[in-house]
Amino acid sequence: ETGVTQSPTHLIKTRGQQVTLRCSSQSGHNTVSWYQQALGQGPQFIFQYYREEENGRGNFPPRFSGLQFPNYSSELNVNALELDDSALYLCASSPGTSGRWETQYFGPGTRLLVL
Amino acid sequence: AQSVTQLGSHVSVSEGALVLLRCNYSSSVPPYLFWYVQYPNQGLQLLLKYTTGATLVKGINGFEAEFKKSETSFHLTKPSAHMSDAAEYFCAVSESGGSYIPTFGRGTSLIVHP
Repeated sequence: ETGVTQSPTHLIKTRGQQVTLRCSSQSGHNTVSWYQQALGQGPQFIFQYYREEENGRGNFPPRFSGLQFPNYSSELNVNALELDDSALYLCASSPGTSGRWETQYFGPGTRLLVL
Repeated sequence: AQSVTQLGSHVSVSEGALVLLRCNYSSSVPPYLFWYVQYPNQGLQLLLKYTTGATLVKGINGFEAEFKKSETSFHLTKPSAHMSDAAEYFCAVSESGGSYIPTFGRGTSLIVHP
């Protein structure tokens, strides 16, 4: 059974650019959530997708957007990058009908540095 | 609104000693509570969770936590620390019957001395 994978592992961008981060869910999982973890902080919920529809969103501006594909893989897109967007971005997948409170399986994350 | 407070950004113990990591939460509805562990350069791994039922929850790697509603606490314990327990630990809460969006604490770094 393949776990949650994320790509790339590291990324450096400059302010104002756009970035796309990718996540492959664990086999059989139809729900994916994205989190931002700033240095020295706990993860903050960005949004969740269930069967290709956004299923909940945290306190993040619209320049953070996402997609979930029919194979349940997912993308996180961030436009107009700001310095404060520098963080570890975590993807987590979960099984079940809602996934909201079920066990989430996290990927290793993508570390984004915005200069 | 829900929130989580983890007391102590760093906890240092000797190998073989008791591990106690503190977590207090606030929630307007019955909470779901979680403890996660994060090793360097890795994602989070669920240690244990409380949703309903028995308030003493046993997790992986010998960890357990007790939900105390009167104290709004969910402290994590392990009777005997091992060097491999050194990691960052996060407590999280989500509201049952609500949005379920989880709120994480800022984390506690567990340091284990030989």
